[in-house]
Order: sequence, then structure tokens, then C-alpha cells
Amino acid sequence: GAVVSQHPSWVICKSGTSVKIECRSLDFQATTMFWYRQFPKQSLMLMATSNEGSKATYEQGVEKDKFLINHASLTLSTLTVTSAHPEDSSFYICSARGTSGRAAVLDEQFFGPGTRLTVL
Amino acid sequence: AQTVTQSQPEMSVQEAETVTLSCTYDTSESDYYLFWYKQPPSRQMILVIRQEAYKQQNATENRFSVNFQKAAKSFSLKISDSQLGDAAMYFCAGLEYGNKLVFGAGTILRVKS
Repeated sequence: GAVVSQHPSWVICKSGTSVKIECRSLDFQATTMFWYRQFPKQSLMLMATSNEGSKATYEQGVEKDKFLINHASLTLSTLTVTSAHPEDSSFYICSARGTSGRAAVLDEQFFGPGTRLTVL
Repeated sequence: AQTVTQSQPEMSVQEAETVTLSCTYDTSESDYYLFWYKQPPSRQMILVIRQEAYKQQNATENRFSVNFQKAAKSFSLKISDSQLGDAAMYFCAGLEYGNKLVFGAGTILRVKS
């Protein structure tokens, strides 16, 4: 299947700082990328959907000024957690949906390996 | 909007035996997809199996098969000849064409040796 990478895989930061997480589609063009948040032993919660070149669409209850999403190219989306606080500590997962090559299969989403964020 | 329900928080199976994970869903659409994802301790989401709603035939992938009952809105996953590597969290998910994936709460599968 198509490959999605995330960087960093884990990050520890101090309260009040900002953290950027990158999500890249390595071998296909991702027209749409999704950002999820997951707490231990819980399901994935969709935070936002981003389409290349346009503003992200945030799910209800997700603060768009706190979780800044940029999808500037067909292979890269970034999630910036601004002024992070301990309650933002979580596992963040991105996925990508493409329309080219092996990714253009039945509307499938391909998931990155996730980023563990710990805010001290 | 679609909803997906997994009512089994945890399941256990003996190695080499068969286990079935349950999932029910609700949607007003006639065209949609259903998925089972596996999330091992590494937390990488892995697609196990996919079912298109318009296909009557149940999907199979090696030891994994589904029982898709469209009228009952049921989509269970059967794992045959269970292996230690099957231990993971399993998520049922639904996708209405062009929309978002909707996940169930997940089922933790433990495999006993």
C-alpha cells in the first residue's frame, strides 16, 4: 500500500511552547489529509480534515487556533499545537487519501505511524 | 451521519482457535464502505479487511473474513487459526463515499498461548 510518514515519532515539550508535527505521503499525492487524536485504549477522534491548498475543516469542539493545520503541498500537511499544555498530551495520527497511483483505491485512507506528544 | 458500534471492549482467544469480533453500524446511505483496522502495540493502524456495501459476497483475506449482513447492519470479523501476532486493538470503521471514516470504540483482542 501507499506509505505515510510522520515526524517526529515522539516529542516532549514544556508547557507554553508550540510543537509542529509533519505528515508526509511518500509515494503518492495526498489530496486530503486527516488528523486524529487518540488517548490510551480509546478510539481515534477526528480533529480536522485538510485539503491541499485550502483551509482545514475542524470537527466540533476542536480549537482551530490551538491546533493549526497547514496542507501546503500534495505531499505534506503539518499540525502545530500552539501554547501546549499538559492536557494536550496525546497520540496524534495523520492519514492521507490520494487520487493517484496505488493510493487511488476505493477511497482508502493510509495512516502514518503516529506521534506521541508529552507536555510537561 | 454514520455511526459504528463495537460492544465488546475485550475478547480472548486461544492460539490456533477462531474468534469473532462484532460490529454494528447505522447509515442512511446506500453506497458505503466498511473496514476492520488492527492497531498493535506499535500503534500503527493496519487495514485488515475492506467490504464494499454493494458487494453481496463477504470479503476474505487469508485468515480474516467478515460476515456482512446488510439488512441487519452487522459487520463482524472472524479470525481463524489465531496467532500471537493477532493480539491488538481492532477497530471497525465505516466510510460514506467522499466523507470521513467513523470508528467504533475498539475491541482489545488477547491471544493466549
